[in-house]
Amino acid sequence: AQKITQTQPGMFVQEKEAVTLDCTYDTSDPSYGLFWYKQPSSGEMIFLIYQGSYDQQNATEGRYSLNFQKARKSANLVISASQLGDSAMYFCATHTGRRALTFGSGTRLQVQP
Amino acid sequence: ETGVTQTPRHLVMGMTNKKSLKCEQHLGHNAMYWYKQSAKKPLELMFVYSLEERVENNSVPSRFSPECPNSSHLFLHLHTLQPEDSALYLCASSKQGINEQFFGPGTRLTVL
Repeated sequence: AQKITQTQPGMFVQEKEAVTLDCTYDTSDPSYGLFWYKQPSSGEMIFLIYQGSYDQQNATEGRYSLNFQKARKSANLVISASQLGDSAMYFCATHTGRRALTFGSGTRLQVQP
Repeated sequence: ETGVTQTPRHLVMGMTNKKSLKCEQHLGHNAMYWYKQSAKKPLELMFVYSLEERVENNSVPSRFSPECPNSSHLFLHLHTLQPEDSALYLCASSKQGINEQFFGPGTRLTVL
């Protein structure tokens, strides 16, 4: 069974600063993927970034990068140059063999001006 | 319309009512999912449909009944719900073999 742990219920960051959101995972699958989603107060889940377990390089998408440390089973999200619009809930997730996602409990990020 | 749409966005119903949630995807995907998001709990997978066939049912009570008439539409039929079923219900879709799932805006359900 897959399990995602996000130990930071809430984080604050100053505008234009970088922030790291933690995620650790536990899976028995040799091949897996790790995802980060953003959920604004409006409710929709917005895909941010994906890392495959066999990918050698850390994934990057614009201001988002994923710090993948396979031996530690961690997949932290780094947001550079935070913006006020980054304030939201952030969820780490992994997929099962049938591609359904298992989510962590989320981290609420608040960007302060 | 583009992406994944869900209707209604908000729904209030009594425990004896019957209602349906609708999800529609305009992305050419062939897998669709229902998730439940309760307050202060992680998202929970409810159902997975792949090529219109239900491939996963995550021990969901029978008062929730999914229907997938074609690859673009997914319904969740609700009857005799309980107050603890109040939650945000999210629909998602993906293409087989592709990892990313696209989510709709959700239906905020309140059961009185």
